[in-house]
Amino acid sequence: AQKITQTQPGMFVQEKEAVTLDCTYDTSDQSYGLFWYKQPSSGEMIFLIYQGSYDEQNATEGRYSLNFQKARKSANLVISASQLGDSAMYFCAIFGTGFQKLVFGTGTRLLVSP
Amino acid sequence: GAVVSQHPSWVICKSGTSVKIECRSLDFQATTMFWYRQFPKQSLMLMATSNEGSKATYEQGVEKDKFLINHASLTLSTLTVTSAHPEDSSFYICSARDVGQGDPFGPGTRLTVT
Repeated sequence: AQKITQTQPGMFVQEKEAVTLDCTYDTSDQSYGLFWYKQPSSGEMIFLIYQGSYDEQNATEGRYSLNFQKARKSANLVISASQLGDSAMYFCAIFGTGFQKLVFGTGTRLLVSP
Repeated sequence: GAVVSQHPSWVICKSGTSVKIECRSLDFQATTMFWYRQFPKQSLMLMATSNEGSKATYEQGVEKDKFLINHASLTLSTLTVTSAHPEDSSFYICSARDVGQGDPFGPGTRLTVT
């Protein structure tokens, strides 16, 4: 079975600074995918970034980058130049067995202060 | 990008009645859709995988007779909460499998059973 662990229930960062949200995973699959989603207070789930287990380079999408360390089974999300609108819950997720379903972590609440 | 809509966005119903929630993929066909439930300040819990033209696959502990899922077309899946009770009050959110697009999510439905 797949498992995602997010050890930071909450994080604070000042506007314009960078922040790293931790995510470690456990899987016995050789091929898997890792995702990060953002959930603002409105409830919608916004896809941020994806990393495939065989991707040699770390994924980047604008201000989001994924620090993928396969040997350590970690997939930390780095948000550069934080903005007030980045305040939200952030979920790390992994594709389950056979790439059928997503397994989510417990989430990290990020608060960006002016 | 791939867009998923959900209707209604919120609903209040009386205990004992049934409520239907629709999930639509707007600009792509989705043979597989997923239904999640989220309690306040918790992560998403997968309830079931909805497959077009076949029976849904329910996660352990989810009552299939209470949460009826119908995936009658490649763009529509419905979740019906039958004989709703106050403990069914929750945030229900769907997603659709769109390969390479990170499983886009609908905006969610907030159900309150009085």
